[in-house]
Amino acid sequence: DAGVIQSPRHEVTEMGQEVTLRCKPISGHNSLFWYRQTMMRGLELLIYFNNNVPIDDSGMPEDRFSAKMPNASFSTLKIQPSEPRDSAVYFCASSLDENTEAFFGQGTRLTVV
Amino acid sequence: AQRVTQPEKLLSVFKGAPVELKCNYSYSGSPELFWYVQYSRQRLQLLLRHISRESIKGFTADLNKGETSFHLKKPFAQEEDSAMYYCALRTGGFKTIFGAGTRLFVKA
Repeated sequence: DAGVIQSPRHEVTEMGQEVTLRCKPISGHNSLFWYRQTMMRGLELLIYFNNNVPIDDSGMPEDRFSAKMPNASFSTLKIQPSEPRDSAVYFCASSLDENTEAFFGQGTRLTVV
Repeated sequence: AQRVTQPEKLLSVFKGAPVELKCNYSYSGSPELFWYVQYSRQRLQLLLRHISRESIKGFTADLNKGETSFHLKKPFAQEEDSAMYYCALRTGGFKTIFGAGTRLFVKA
């Protein structure tokens, strides 16, 4: 297994544009997490899914952010419209069950100019 | 409230010196704690978890429920230990929250 796969690896976009980040979890994993990493705040949990159902989205910063998981092998995090303060590295992670650790993707570095 | 606090953003030590990365947590239930590490240009990965009570790459961490701490220690730091370290708390179910991270820099 190639691990958690995220795309794109880098994204540069203009303020106001829509941005979609993609994640493919490890096959068979039941939970998927989206995190945002910044210098100031470290790693923040945005939302997580269990069996494709959003369980906790209390970390989503505002309505401009939305996440979906249409099936067990794919998830998206969308920002519309994007703002410069959204610039960060966004990580996706998945875990098999509540007794195992989360495995992380390589992240998407988003820059909003 | 569930929270993980890593008070040091940056920790700089000399090679061969002991190192301790601090982590305190706030959680009313029974915690499950982890340390994750992110080396330069690599993905975040699990270093160790408290229930395993293991030593990985010379690092150990003991859960102290009285002090609500899970500090990461190594007696003799190596240059290759330079990385970003995150303490993480798993609460009920699958939710895992992370501290802000500590960057460890080991000087030659």
